[in-house]
Amino acid sequence: DIQMTQSPASLSASLGETVSIECLASEGISNSLAWYQQKPGKSPQLLIYGASSLQDGVPSRFSGSGSGTQYSLKISGMQPEDEGVYYCQQGYKYYTFGAGTKLELK
Amino acid sequence: QVQLKESGPGLVQPSETLSLTCTVSGFSLTSYSVSWVRQPSGKGPEWMGRMWYDGDTAYNSALKSRLSISRDTSKNQVFLKMNSLQTDDTGTYYCTRDLAYSGGGPYYYVMDAWGQGASVTVSS
Repeated sequence: DIQMTQSPASLSASLGETVSIECLASEGISNSLAWYQQKPGKSPQLLIYGASSLQDGVPSRFSGSGSGTQYSLKISGMQPEDEGVYYCQQGYKYYTFGAGTKLELK
Repeated sequence: QVQLKESGPGLVQPSETLSLTCTVSGFSLTSYSVSWVRQPSGKGPEWMGRMWYDGDTAYNSALKSRLSISRDTSKNQVFLKMNSLQTDDTGTYYCTRDLAYSGGGPYYYVMDAWGQGASVTVSS
């Protein structure tokens, strides 16, 4: 099975600060990488798919990049509504999720 | 408007069988695949299995011996049954729509819509 290692486990950012979250796959996944945001008591919401494609309705401050085994999510200008837990997920061989990154507003 | 909704018992006895139903609207089960995902409290999600749009199924190898997914297209419903439940099966169970996409090469899948989740507690 493909393992997804996400870092950091948690971070705190100030309003307007740029934030990056990393995800490392245990083998190459050909850009089949998605990012989800989950708020307390809610189901995860798709942000990015195909490593860099923005899901409809997602603010443009969210962006994704990477290739091979290394991927990242960037939030350009932290907003209060961006607080939550972020998960990466590979879709190369069915699905595997990372353990999550908890993002808080400082 | 794409919607998925999970339903089923909130409490299951250890060693018993969990049965959940996912009722979908806004899309056809013969055009889209549906996955089941579970999430223990405070942990990351775990993919359980998929009902393909053509009626085939796929399962997480770790759960395959206990898990069965089926559907009724006339009722727009996908079903999950998992036997021999233990306390570590406690969590929130989601059904999701799987969206196929391609960058010009093979097709991959992503979960573009999720149900609200069904909370399941395994306890005597």
